[in-house]
Amino acid sequence: GESVGLHLPTLSVQEGDNSIINCAYSNSASDYFIWYKQESGKGPQFIIDIRSNMDKRQGQRVTVLLNKTVKHLSLQIAATQPGDSAVYFCAENWGGGSNYKLTFGKGTLLTVNP
Amino acid sequence: GAGVSQSPSNKVTEKGKDVELRCDPISGHTALYWYRQSLGQGLEFLIYFQGNSAPDKSGLPSDRFSAERTGGSVSTLTIQRTQQEDSAVYLCASSLGGRDLRQYFGPGTRLTVT
Repeated sequence: GESVGLHLPTLSVQEGDNSIINCAYSNSASDYFIWYKQESGKGPQFIIDIRSNMDKRQGQRVTVLLNKTVKHLSLQIAATQPGDSAVYFCAENWGGGSNYKLTFGKGTLLTVNP
Repeated sequence: GAGVSQSPSNKVTEKGKDVELRCDPISGHTALYWYRQSLGQGLEFLIYFQGNSAPDKSGLPSDRFSAERTGGSVSTLTIQRTQQEDSAVYLCASSLGGRDLRQYFGPGTRLTVT
């Protein structure tokens, strides 16, 4: 099965609310995680990444949280806007520098209602 | 600077024909990846190039699929004797390589096999 998965395949929020997109991973050796945003008809766009020596990292309006104990990753989007509507993918990497591949989850569709 | 570009953006072909998809990575990026994305699905890894090393072809679904990367830059993905199940969006990504695992994606080529 998938080593990276999502709890919620779809998420609908009101404009201005905060959004939380969750991701579970099963490989305890994973040491790098990354979130992508994919708008309809476009390629995935890098949002934010985090290494396993951190449990939180913040960007512009986004925060990624990593809980290694329960192998859980989340992406928080503050003050969600209609332009945030997209599919969000998490991905993981393991290999200690010898594996350069990312394994992607199936994605969560975020819909922002005006 | 310019991002990853792919051509064509759309390709419709008849079953049994061969197709070539092109990817121009970001200048200076030593790593290049090809993925396949079926409708509403995640990203399926196909092949990975890193500098002059032998490519990682472990994701190619059959021997009808092949890829080349000439001069460490432009890459072409070739699908011979296309089948209807090959219909998908083919995405290319590049990264700096080494410890930088962030992949930057092109817009994709939508392939439809009739």
